[in-house]
Amino acid sequence: DIQMTQSPSSVSASVGDRVTITCRASQTISNSLHWYQQKPGKAPNLLIYAASSLPNGVPSRFSGSGSGTDFTLTISSLQPDDFATYYCQQTNSTPQTFGRGTTVDIK
Amino acid sequence: QVQLVQSGAEVKKPGASMKVSCRASGYNFIGFYIHWVRQAPGQGLEWMGWINPNKGGTKYAQKFQGRVTMTRDTSIRTAYMELNRLRSDDTAVYYCAIDSSGGPQGWLDPWGQGTLVIVSS
Repeated sequence: DIQMTQSPSSVSASVGDRVTITCRASQTISNSLHWYQQKPGKAPNLLIYAASSLPNGVPSRFSGSGSGTDFTLTISSLQPDDFATYYCQQTNSTPQTFGRGTTVDIK
Repeated sequence: QVQLVQSGAEVKKPGASMKVSCRASGYNFIGFYIHWVRQAPGQGLEWMGWINPNKGGTKYAQKFQGRVTMTRDTSIRTAYMELNRLRSDDTAVYYCAIDSSGGPQGWLDPWGQGTLVIVSS
């Protein structure tokens, strides 16, 4: 199975901060990497697909980059609505696997 | 709008079976794979498998092989996930989600609201 190592596991930040979350795959996955945001008690929501594509309706302060094994999710200016847990997911091979999540909380 | 609505919470005894439904609306049901993902309390996301609503083909994570069955009823636009021989560590919220890429190896969007299944004696 492909292991997805997400870091950090948690980050404390303030509104307006730039936040960067990384995800490393244990083997190359091309750009088959997606990011989700999850708030407590809610289903995950797609944030970035195919490593760097922004779905309709997702604010442009979210961006993704990377290919191969190393990927990054960046929030350029953290907003109050962004305090949540973020997961990466690889879909290059079965079983599809998720990172363990990064919780962004208020500093 | 595209929507997945799941069945309600369940409490099951160890050794029993569970079957969660996922009713789709707002899109071509047979055109997109449906995946199942679960999340144990306080834990991360775990992929279980997918079903192709068009022909019923399935792919399961090895971990669940022999215990999970994913089916669909195209007449009512509903997918099902059945898990047998339940254990306490199957306690989780179970989600269905649409693979929006058109294939089975894309991104999941949107997701159902989740179904909590508690396994307890």
